[in-house]
Amino acid sequence: EADIYQTPRYLVIGTGKKITLECSQTMGHDKMYWYQQDPGMELHLIHYSYGVNSTEKGDLSSESTVSRIRTEHFPLTLESARPSHTSQYLCATGVRYEQYFGPGTRLTVT
Amino acid sequence: GEDVEQSLFLSVREGDSSVINCTYTDSSSTYLYWYKQEPGAGLQLLTYIFSNMDMKQDQRLTVLLNKKDKHLSLRIADTQTGDSAIYFCAESPVGSGNTGKLIFGQGTTLQVKP
Repeated sequence: EADIYQTPRYLVIGTGKKITLECSQTMGHDKMYWYQQDPGMELHLIHYSYGVNSTEKGDLSSESTVSRIRTEHFPLTLESARPSHTSQYLCATGVRYEQYFGPGTRLTVT
Repeated sequence: GEDVEQSLFLSVREGDSSVINCTYTDSSSTYLYWYKQEPGAGLQLLTYIFSNMDMKQDQRLTVLLNKKDKHLSLRIADTQTGDSAIYFCAESPVGSGNTGKLIFGQGTTLQVKP
């Protein structure tokens, strides 16, 4: 299994602020993913990466952006947070046919 | 398109068996997965099954796959209160290529009563 860390675990922030959600992994997996989990609990893929300098948008349109400068890190940034961004954000890594998830960041935008 | 459907809620008594069901639409999916999510936590990979298999057993967990009906089930034997969680079914469509993208169902909340 992969060790995946997400910080912060909980964040309450005002509208218009810029935020970065951190995701890091220690297993050297090339594939990484960001999912948004809405109040109905369904997960939607918003970004993924094959490896360093590779990023792609997922199935659900998102105003967030991601970067992959190092294998271990896959941060997600919101330039200007809005209440509609309130959600749980889950990071995952992939190896072969398996995906492993971090503990998530619960974001509340007031 | 790709879609995964699950019933939303299941309640069982401790010691009984639980069966959580899932249907999917992409018959070309290569792997099908079951994940568990406890409150405030991420998703834990429980088990997965390759599409050319009918059944997979791992301790108290049994996965059954009916490809003809595109139906996947997870049976938990001797259900314990610690099994209370949300269970997600997911498929890996062949169209996802090398991305490893997964399509998730909406999750089934399992409530285990003492």
